[in-house]
Amino acid sequence: DGGITQSPKYLFRKEGQNVTLSCEQNLNHDAMYWYRQDPGQGLRLIYYSQIVNDFQKGDIAEGYSVSREKKESFPLTVTSAQKNPTAFYLCASSTSTGLGGELFFGEGSRLTVL
Amino acid sequence: AQSVTQLGSHVSVSEGALVLLRCNYSSSVPPYLFWYVQYPNQGLQLLLKYTTGATLVKGINGFEAEFKKSETSFHLTKPSAHMSDAAEYFCAVSDRGTNAGKSTFGDGTTLTVKP
Repeated sequence: DGGITQSPKYLFRKEGQNVTLSCEQNLNHDAMYWYRQDPGQGLRLIYYSQIVNDFQKGDIAEGYSVSREKKESFPLTVTSAQKNPTAFYLCASSTSTGLGGELFFGEGSRLTVL
Repeated sequence: AQSVTQLGSHVSVSEGALVLLRCNYSSSVPPYLFWYVQYPNQGLQLLLKYTTGATLVKGINGFEAEFKKSETSFHLTKPSAHMSDAAEYFCAVSDRGTNAGKSTFGDGTTLTVKP
């Protein structure tokens, strides 16, 4: 079945460490997104990419980095510069302009800083 | 700029009762509108969407929503709640055209269903 796979599902990090969250999709979608979710809040966009080798900052990009070397993959690195990284991270994809912008989500990765 | 307001962060209904989750939006152009559902520790799943055409949209699991341009609303309803409907629901708005898919989300409404 086609879908989005995020790994790991749970991740613990010590302060000062960088961590990378994986996101892979086999939906053949052009666009991919990373969102951060905190309790009682909606989703906030971190980065997005509409084509391979190109990506743009979202609303809360500081302390995060991404790459888009392959259409299927959009990994997110949470760097030590992110002051409050404990959150639930969601990866999503969509066709670039079709289907009314519907987003397809992965199961999420929960990052906890110890 | 677009924005979404979900009225009520928590809604509680009895099993079999009407479910009504409220969403108002602002957008400078006719938007795409979505409702997503999220179960604990999972990703979001699309319930339904409005893009164009009929303003009453039917989705999965018996949910429906009506786009009311004059009220800038897109409220989600279900005639009879089931225990399995307990989850968090998000309303989202997206621009048409080149930014399709770059959605703005509301803060979410947690639905509790009492037996």
